[in-house]
Amino acid sequence: SQQGEEDPQALSIQEGENATMNCSYKTSINNLQWYRQNSGRGLVHLILIRSNEREKHSGRLRVTLDTSKKSSSLLITASRAADTASYFCATELSGYSTLTFGKGTMLLVSP
Amino acid sequence: NAGVTQTPKFQVLKTGQSMTLQCAQDMNHNSMYWYRQDPGMGLRLIYYSASEGTTDKGEVPNGYNVSRLNKREFSLRLESAAPSQTSVYFCASSALPGQGKVSYTFGSGTRLTVV
Repeated sequence: SQQGEEDPQALSIQEGENATMNCSYKTSINNLQWYRQNSGRGLVHLILIRSNEREKHSGRLRVTLDTSKKSSSLLITASRAADTASYFCATELSGYSTLTFGKGTMLLVSP
Repeated sequence: NAGVTQTPKFQVLKTGQSMTLQCAQDMNHNSMYWYRQDPGMGLRLIYYSASEGTTDKGEVPNGYNVSRLNKREFSLRLESAAPSQTSVYFCASSALPGQGKVSYTFGSGTRLTVV
């Protein structure tokens, strides 16, 4: 069963706009990670946030984590056409050593 | 280039045939993983190897076997392929999980079709 669920399933925006994707999970985690997948390619790690952290930044990416609500959000600011991809959240559960992935959000950024 | 290498990139099998998907990493990672990705299902863990000499089942292990040949290589075998195993298979590797800060490096995938 899926641990993480992304919302929305698909998102279409214009270049320059911000894109926000959300992830909800069910059980206690060690960390939550976001990955990007371009069409037909492997997944690329974007950012990791640990369970005792609330917010992290990396370039145009901002991730928040609310462990009380068991949710995370990924914000991409000033989106570019090259950001078009699927974005997955993945959780490392407490007591486990593997990642469980959600079903992903498909982001389309139009020029 | 350093990373995770998967072979082959594409494969078509007939039902009942067997094949082995190969994966190798050159990052000196301890842990390796096999996932499958199906439309609308995200990635699901098939098997993993936390360290050389160990393997464990993931969420969907039925119909598959794995071998951790050495620290670099982790293979996935389909003994008798079925159409339900049509999927894109990804290998990944990571340092030993610990302190909650390990991320995965993925290969580019093997697209398998079973007819």
